[in-house]
Amino acid sequence: QVTLKESGPGILQPSQTLSLTCTFSGFSLSTYGMGVGWIRQPSGKGLEWLANIWWDDDKYYNPSLKNRLTISKDTSNNQAFLKITNVDTADTATYYCARIATKFGVRNWFAYWGQGTLVTVSS
Amino acid sequence: DIQMTQSPSVLSASVGDRVTLNCKASQNINKYLNWYQQKLGEAPKLLIYNTNNLQTGIPSRFSGSGSGTDFTLTISSLQPEDFATYFCFQHNSWPLTFGSGTKLEIK
Repeated sequence: QVTLKESGPGILQPSQTLSLTCTFSGFSLSTYGMGVGWIRQPSGKGLEWLANIWWDDDKYYNPSLKNRLTISKDTSNNQAFLKITNVDTADTATYYCARIATKFGVRNWFAYWGQGTLVTVSS
Repeated sequence: DIQMTQSPSVLSASVGDRVTLNCKASQNINKYLNWYQQKLGEAPKLLIYNTNNLQTGIPSRFSGSGSGTDFTLTISSLQPEDFATYFCFQHNSWPLTFGSGTKLEIK
């Protein structure tokens, strides 16, 4: 059974660094074709893809957040991480992590999601 | 970036209706289009992947079609649990992008 769960600080102040953790089970990020992505959603608004990390440590970022994002993983502990530097109120959102899998050459994007963690940026 | 435009933004329908939701990409995304359903307070759920492939466990009343830039999600006979917001998502090109959603409301 595949599960993912996000954790974060809940609230932080502008200019701080947001650190998010995705703890998952039912798959391994050392398995060929596996990946984890981060997606966020401001309250009442749409979804924005942020970053992906793959089994081979390849990484992709949304350029709209310029150089503020860093994604990483701890394969032995089944965790993925996302850091966002210099946050402001526009970063207030629910942050989700989701699994990417590859089977028979077909990539299955975001079939499994965590419940999300709400992050509020406020002074 | 590829822009994904969904229409309508709000759709009012009744239980038993057949409905079609639209998603248009600003450039060719081949078949690399997914549909997600999201209910209030929940994470999105994958319904359809690569245009027309039904995700395991999703009822067969959901179907997808299209290619290139124009895609549709069809629900053949609306059930009460289908009233939700639906997002399309392209994974053909970086950065990956979602549509702004269609909210399916009870008429």
